[in-house]
Amino acid sequence: DGGITQSPKYLFRKEGQNVTLSCEQNLNHDAMYWYRQDPGQGLRLIYYSQIVNDFQKGDIAEGYSVSREKKESFPLTVTSAQKNPTAFYLCASTPGDSAADTQYFGPGTRLTVL
Amino acid sequence: QKEVEQNSGPLSVPEGAIASLNCTYSDRVSQSFFWYRQYSGKSPELIMSIYSNGDKEDGRFTAQLNKASQYVSLLIRDSQPSDSATYLCAPYYNQGGKLIFGQGTELSVKP
Repeated sequence: DGGITQSPKYLFRKEGQNVTLSCEQNLNHDAMYWYRQDPGQGLRLIYYSQIVNDFQKGDIAEGYSVSREKKESFPLTVTSAQKNPTAFYLCASTPGDSAADTQYFGPGTRLTVL
Repeated sequence: QKEVEQNSGPLSVPEGAIASLNCTYSDRVSQSFFWYRQYSGKSPELIMSIYSNGDKEDGRFTAQLNKASQYVSLLIRDSQPSDSATYLCAPYYNQGGKLIFGQGTELSVKP
């Protein structure tokens, strides 16, 4: 069963903590993306990676970090520098290295700061 | 000016009616346009893409593109309660090579 998995589904963070959101795909897709969605808003791009061991900042990268050590994995770390991290986080992938390809989304992780 | 603007919702239509969702964008060189559907609490899924001026039909869905007016729309014919969701417009911006998502229009189809 091919697809994108994200874990955990819900995550609670205390002030000053770093947390890592997992994203795994078995679609053999080249590119992967992280988006943030706030209530009533569209998706905003945090980071993306078109190839292993390389990634680019999106529009709201401050306070986040990523790695792409394996083609199938693209974890996102929300650091304590991100002052308002409560949001719905979505991971996506595309077959090729272009964001204009169909984006396939994971089920999302809902992060709440306590 | 926002990069992508969608008509504010929620939009409520009776079952069987045509729902019209509109989107304007600011990038004059965008060539690819996408409509994603997002059910409450779920992740988006692609329902339509359009690249050329004019209409593109897929079942009950029709996407319309007017590049001169920087306008793209989505029509849903014979609306069903299962169409109730938020619809996100996403032009592809060549500069930066990324999708820019609108804030979405919430559609409610009443039985």
